[in-house]
Amino acid sequence: DAKTTQPPSMDCAEGRAANLPCNHSTISGNEYVYWYRQIHSQGPQYIIHGLKNNETNEMASLIITEDRKSSTLILPHATLRDTAVYYCIVVGGGSNYKLTFGKGTLLTVNP
Amino acid sequence: DAGITQSPRHKVTETGTPVTLRCHQTENHRYMYWYRQDPGHGLRLIHYSYGVKDTDKGEVSDGYSVSRSKTEDFLLTLESATSSQTSVYFCAIGGVQTQYFGPGTRLLVL
Repeated sequence: DAKTTQPPSMDCAEGRAANLPCNHSTISGNEYVYWYRQIHSQGPQYIIHGLKNNETNEMASLIITEDRKSSTLILPHATLRDTAVYYCIVVGGGSNYKLTFGKGTLLTVNP
Repeated sequence: DAGITQSPRHKVTETGTPVTLRCHQTENHRYMYWYRQDPGHGLRLIHYSYGVKDTDKGEVSDGYSVSRSKTEDFLLTLESATSSQTSVYFCAIGGVQTQYFGPGTRLLVL
């Protein structure tokens, strides 16, 4: 699976949009981009995933560049409860069922 | 939390003793996973199961064994606990890549 690069930490003001970047320049054609987050002391939580089109759900939006070498997770109106470590993971679309979690980005939402 | 429970939630044990952690699901998912999480290492896959009696190793399987005799239960056993196995253990269930995690078990090996 392709390696991902994320900033170690980011800050965001409550109520503002949080934009979390992820670089995955070695991604291959059948690999998906997945985002999970982990709130302190809890298990990771699935957020969203995509292949090449932008995706939106009730939690977030995922913007994938046309060349698929990077993506951005957008939390449109961040709240204090969104403070967490956010993981960007690239996973093969075949029979690879294993998620490899890197260090992620610690997003701190400030009041 | 997607119908996943882990037991116990906290455990303190001594080096050399056997320990079994249980993951129970009510979602009838085929796939179940055990991860450990340590500072500086993030989440690492220990073992996973793709069906009853079907299991495979992850990246940090040494010192651990698993069993799955029923769809709903996935057991992780430390045959002889060591201090290096002090960690937070997470169970997950799910499909191919979308996994749902349990609340975790904090294990301290003295």
